[in-house]
Amino acid sequence: GQQVMQIPQYQHVQEGEDFTTYCNSSTTLSNIQWYKQRPGGHPVFLIQLVKSGEVKKQKRLTFQFGEAKKNSSLHITATQTTDVGTYFCAGFGSGTYKYIFGTGTRLKVLA
Amino acid sequence: DTGVSQDPRHKITKRGQNVTFRCDPISEHNRLYWYRQTLGQGPEFLTYFQNEAQLEKSRLLSDRFSAERPKGSFSTLEIQRTEQGDSAMYLCASSLGQGISKNIQYFGAGTRLSVL
Repeated sequence: GQQVMQIPQYQHVQEGEDFTTYCNSSTTLSNIQWYKQRPGGHPVFLIQLVKSGEVKKQKRLTFQFGEAKKNSSLHITATQTTDVGTYFCAGFGSGTYKYIFGTGTRLKVLA
Repeated sequence: DTGVSQDPRHKITKRGQNVTFRCDPISEHNRLYWYRQTLGQGPEFLTYFQNEAQLEKSRLLSDRFSAERPKGSFSTLEIQRTEQGDSAMYLCASSLGQGISKNIQYFGAGTRLSVL
């Protein structure tokens, strides 16, 4: 079945440093979504990528979708303490109604 | 506040008991998802409804799990003969419908189940 993996599993950074998480799917995706889950909270939608090679930016966050539509990345520039949480990618494959969530990358920002 | 409501927020039960959770999606959202999340893991897909029709169910889901969405609005998830391995956060999410701009999932706060 379809699997979605993320690396790294954990990342500790000093405030102001950059952060990147990578998402890899075992199958080609129709689209991919990114979510952020704060400690004790629920996943909150960040962005959706649809096109091969697509790049989208939200302030300090940059999202990329791979050319083969099997991988994606999220890059945060100059992290802040408010960026703390777990970042999940969720891939939507063809022939299915479901999103498969990645294993998540837990980000800790040290002030 | 995302607008998706789940009840109860916490449930403690003894092994072997049945439990039922409720999810009220955002009004006019015709897609509803149930997920299970354990500590340190991503949400794991359980089942999906388009209006009142259950269109997909995880093959990992045992026969002890059943979900309904009788009128295409709220949904219930029942677990029969609970086991300690069922302890997890059960998340509900809804989306507007089909189409790239309509499939953003909005999550509820979840129901945390503890099976003793």
